[in-house]
Amino acid sequence: AQKVTQAQTEISVVEKEDVTLDCVYETRDTTYYLFWYKQPPSGELVFLIRRNSFDEQNEISGRYSWNFQKSTSSFNFTITASQVVDSAVYFCALAAGNKLTFGGGTRVLVKP
Amino acid sequence: GAVVSQHPSWVICKSGTSVKIECRSLDFQATTMFWYRQFPKQSLMLMATSNEGSKATYEQGVEKDKFLINHASLTLSTLTVTSAHPEDSSFYICSARDRRDTEAFFGQGTRLTVV
Repeated sequence: AQKVTQAQTEISVVEKEDVTLDCVYETRDTTYYLFWYKQPPSGELVFLIRRNSFDEQNEISGRYSWNFQKSTSSFNFTITASQVVDSAVYFCALAAGNKLTFGGGTRVLVKP
Repeated sequence: GAVVSQHPSWVICKSGTSVKIECRSLDFQATTMFWYRQFPKQSLMLMATSNEGSKATYEQGVEKDKFLINHASLTLSTLTVTSAHPEDSSFYICSARDRRDTEAFFGQGTRLTVV
């Protein structure tokens, strides 16, 4: 069985603050993929990143960065200098075998 | 990235009627399609997985006779909510994947309201 846990249900920050979203996963598969998606109020899922289980390099894309640590089964996501437009629900997901499992989501509210 | 089109984006229907939601992959062949359901302020829960030309595999607790899934071609899957009731009101999202990639691309979602 596979499981994704996002311990933070809601985070509220003031604009320009950094915010880190935690994601911990469980799987018995040795080959798997991890994802982060953004879901704005309109509902569609916006793909942010995919990382395979053999690539532990951290990644930075603009104000977004990701920290993958296989030893702790974590794939955390940081938004630097947050903006109001970052307000959304963010989902971490794990793909192993033929199944994509989502975490519970973290609602991020960025106040001006 | 690849495009998945889901239609309609929202629908309101009367209790007892059936509603069909379509999911199309526009620029790739989707050998596998997934249907998710999302209640307000909750995560996406996988309902079923369908491979082209074969019967869908439903997750535990999902009634296959109520949520009919058809994946008759490599570009189209449909979800029919039969005899809909207010408790079926939810956000339904499909995703599609081709055999060459592990990434699944998502449709825009369908907000179903049963009155």
